[in-house]
Amino acid sequence: QSVLTQPPSASGTPGQRVTISCSGSTSNIGMTTVTWYQQFPGSVPKLLIYANDLRPSGVPDRFSGSKSGTSASLAISGLQSDDEAVYFCSSWDGSLDGPVVFGGGTKLTVL
Amino acid sequence: QVQLQESGPALVKPSETLSLTCSVSGDSVSSYYWSWLRQPPGKGLEWIAYAHWSGSANYNPSLKSRISISVDTSRNQFSLSLSAVTTADTAKYYCARFDQYDTWGFFAFWSQGTLVTVSS
Repeated sequence: QSVLTQPPSASGTPGQRVTISCSGSTSNIGMTTVTWYQQFPGSVPKLLIYANDLRPSGVPDRFSGSKSGTSASLAISGLQSDDEAVYFCSSWDGSLDGPVVFGGGTKLTVL
Repeated sequence: QVQLQESGPALVKPSETLSLTCSVSGDSVSSYYWSWLRQPPGKGLEWIAYAHWSGSANYNPSLKSRISISVDTSRNQFSLSLSAVTTADTAKYYCARFDQYDTWGFFAFWSQGTLVTVSS
């Protein structure tokens, strides 16, 4: 079981806006920031969002992150077929599980 | 551009020690923290440990008793040792730069990963 909870799958059609949730607790998301990684099949995870809502250079502004309380969300607008990947959330954890914890990943399918 | 390349055996026998080294280019290991992560085939990511050249380190509690991590500034490398491996340790192992800021951080740059299989 992962410390952070993500839905195993999500889907959308091209052009749509989809969101992926990440649920944690007061010992992780509730006390610090959330990071999102994107991983294409057979490829290396790539930093997508850090500090809840900041994008590294090169990441399109179609990707956005937010956090509220002990949950976070990744939103992808103007969905493209190239966005089909697995998305992982991550956070710092101040409990015995930490300090770095991940969600189990959400497989995004573009229909 | 920061690049990381791991090296080490692809096959390790049960009960033996898995040893990996990550060579860094485009950056100095004297800066930042440096980390190891792994991903079993078809599964999610697991953070293993991170370390700073000063000796500061942090470990995944579930692996702590079996892990050793070190940073070699003279070679611009860092290394991982995982002892008493079992088939559950079969995974793709990644090395990464960990940008830490007090009680948060992120893995900014990753290696391509190396699949390590534990089998007799």
